[in-house]
Amino acid sequence: EVQLVESGGGLVQPGGSLRLSCKASGFTFSSSWMTWVRQAPGKGLDWVATIKPDGSETYHVDSVRGRFTISRDNADSSLYLQMDSLRAEDTGIYYCVKGGANFASWGHGILVAVSS
Amino acid sequence: QSALTQPPSASGSPGQSVTISCTGSSSDVGGNDYVSWYQQYPGKAPKLMIYEVNKRPSGVPARFSGSRSGNTASLTVSGLQAEDEADYYCSAYAGSNRLFGGGTTLTVL
Repeated sequence: EVQLVESGGGLVQPGGSLRLSCKASGFTFSSSWMTWVRQAPGKGLDWVATIKPDGSETYHVDSVRGRFTISRDNADSSLYLQMDSLRAEDTGIYYCVKGGANFASWGHGILVAVSS
Repeated sequence: QSALTQPPSASGSPGQSVTISCTGSSSDVGGNDYVSWYQQYPGKAPKLMIYEVNKRPSGVPARFSGSRSGNTASLTVSGLQAEDEADYYCSAYAGSNRLFGGGTTLTVL
């Protein structure tokens, strides 16, 4: 069974940083594209970033490029999202997702709240 | 990087069929086969219902089907059941980007 467990969320002030982690199990992580998707309170889904299986290529939505960085550790079956220069509009639930175009499995999500 | 366009709401009575549309462009919905649909209940994570335009993952009822015509993809739910009441999102691959629709709330009357 695929399991994706996010951690590292919380309340942070504008301009601050957070690092989200996602521990994967139940599938061959090192062969899988991985993605972060977020959802602002009461709003729809927004794609944030995607990474190739070997980590050689990454893709980020324009609104976070230069502030967020997706990365992975295949030896530890873990996915990361380093979030810097956080803004109020980054507030939401962040989902760790298996897949790069078809989002096959989703974690339960972790809340990130950016507020002073 | 415009979002895909979905109607905000759709509804139908139990047993009826309802279709939700998702309109994009030739660069996304109409340009490749990576079009997918997700079901989300309040407070829960989304679930993949249709991938690559019209394929159903194991465990998804056959009542759910996907199709595409030009730059518009569609999700059809046949034989509506109360448990189908949820939010539905489409998604498409767009080169270095991935796009989501704004979501459609399906109400079973």
